[in-house]
Amino acid sequence: GEDVEQSLFLSVREGDSSVINCTYTDSSSTYLYWYKQEPGAGLQLLTYIFSNMDMKQDQRLTVLLNKKDKHLSLRIADTQTGDSAIYFCAEIPSGNTGKLIFGQGTTLQVKP
Amino acid sequence: EPEVTQTPSHQVTQMGQEVILRCVPISNHLYFYWYRQILGQKVEFLVSFYNNEISEKSEIFDDQFSVERPDGSNFTLKIRSTKLEDSAMYFCASTGFHNEQFFGPGTRLTVL
Repeated sequence: GEDVEQSLFLSVREGDSSVINCTYTDSSSTYLYWYKQEPGAGLQLLTYIFSNMDMKQDQRLTVLLNKKDKHLSLRIADTQTGDSAIYFCAEIPSGNTGKLIFGQGTTLQVKP
Repeated sequence: EPEVTQTPSHQVTQMGQEVILRCVPISNHLYFYWYRQILGQKVEFLVSFYNNEISEKSEIFDDQFSVERPDGSNFTLKIRSTKLEDSAMYFCASTGFHNEQFFGPGTRLTVL
């Protein structure tokens, strides 16, 4: 079945790196995504990775993909208080109608 | 920068009433989606729409729900007879190149 799992909460100090982890079940997923949701707001696409890549870097964000273990991570370097939000991992499962399957979200708390 | 817009931002309705949630996807996108997020829960896929027809729908999307693209710009979700459990944030999304799905800010539906 299609399932995406994330840890629920992460707390870091401002300036530290944050690593948010995600596991998924569909080994045929083509794209994997990270979205950010600030309180009361919509889902902001942060970055995505194609399944034939191991890593993607975009400014302070680094995405690592381990296809063998079906593990995706998002590293935020030099975490700022403005990074406090809920981070959702999502995949497009095989069949590719484009629907996204989301994890339950990881709440990132950044302490000054 | 183009964005997905949704109206209204908040809709309050009585149980049993019909509601129509409106979305304007990004103009050159071809695939459109509705998702919902019940408070504190995962974002759940409802329906995908392409070429003026539904391409996939979830178990949640029963015969009380319908979607329409009436005029080439708007994309609507109708709930015919709302139930208490329909209370949620409803997100519209549209897809561009590389399956990047961009989300609107959401409509908070409250059924009393």
